[in-house]
Amino acid sequence: DQQVKQNSPSLSVQEGRISILNCDYTNSMFDYFLWYKKYPAEGPTFLISISSIKDKNEDGRFTVFLNKSAKHLSLHIVPSQPGDSAVYFCAASAQGAQKLVFGQGTRLTINP
Amino acid sequence: DAGITQSPRHKVTETGTPVTLRCHQTENHRYMYWYRQDPGHGLRLIHYSYGVKDTDKGEVSDGYSVSRSKTEDFLLTLESATSSQTSVYFCAISGTVVYGYTFGSGTRLTVV
Repeated sequence: DQQVKQNSPSLSVQEGRISILNCDYTNSMFDYFLWYKKYPAEGPTFLISISSIKDKNEDGRFTVFLNKSAKHLSLHIVPSQPGDSAVYFCAASAQGAQKLVFGQGTRLTINP
Repeated sequence: DAGITQSPRHKVTETGTPVTLRCHQTENHRYMYWYRQDPGHGLRLIHYSYGVKDTDKGEVSDGYSVSRSKTEDFLLTLESATSSQTSVYFCAISGTVVYGYTFGSGTRLTVV
């Protein structure tokens, strides 16, 4: 039972364009969502988060959008840069639960 | 200063042998977690701890045990390693999940 799903295993985007990574969830108790970025041979690093009381959160080139009715969130990266090439994980937490449920990850490749 | 370190970084072991992975933190965080990363599955929670001697199972806990005798150390033991436990194991720490996790660099375990 995959509660957090990233249905695109990979995504290829041209440098300078927008990258959009998608994530769907099934558990209506999730109220906090995070994105992590992972380079090879390193641990994941926190990128950006959003609470269920918001529908958008921005941090520089990164914006996360949350659509609660659709149980869908997305991460927008604009403009995309070669250093953004990595695996991106979506994660969610239910109210009061001090643990995260992760999606399968999406490998983003930025082409020059 | 990494704040969280995992050891060993790489290990090859034989089927049926016990294996212990160590996670050490210097952040004095309450919560510690063990995840495994596998292709197509993302990051799956094995066990987590919410304090010294307080642990709980995650979604893929069969064949694993944990111990936390000190705030700074969280040990993951494979009681009798099997080939299905070949994976990359990540430890994570958190003060509170709304600020996300900090991950270690991972341990690549191969069971032959």
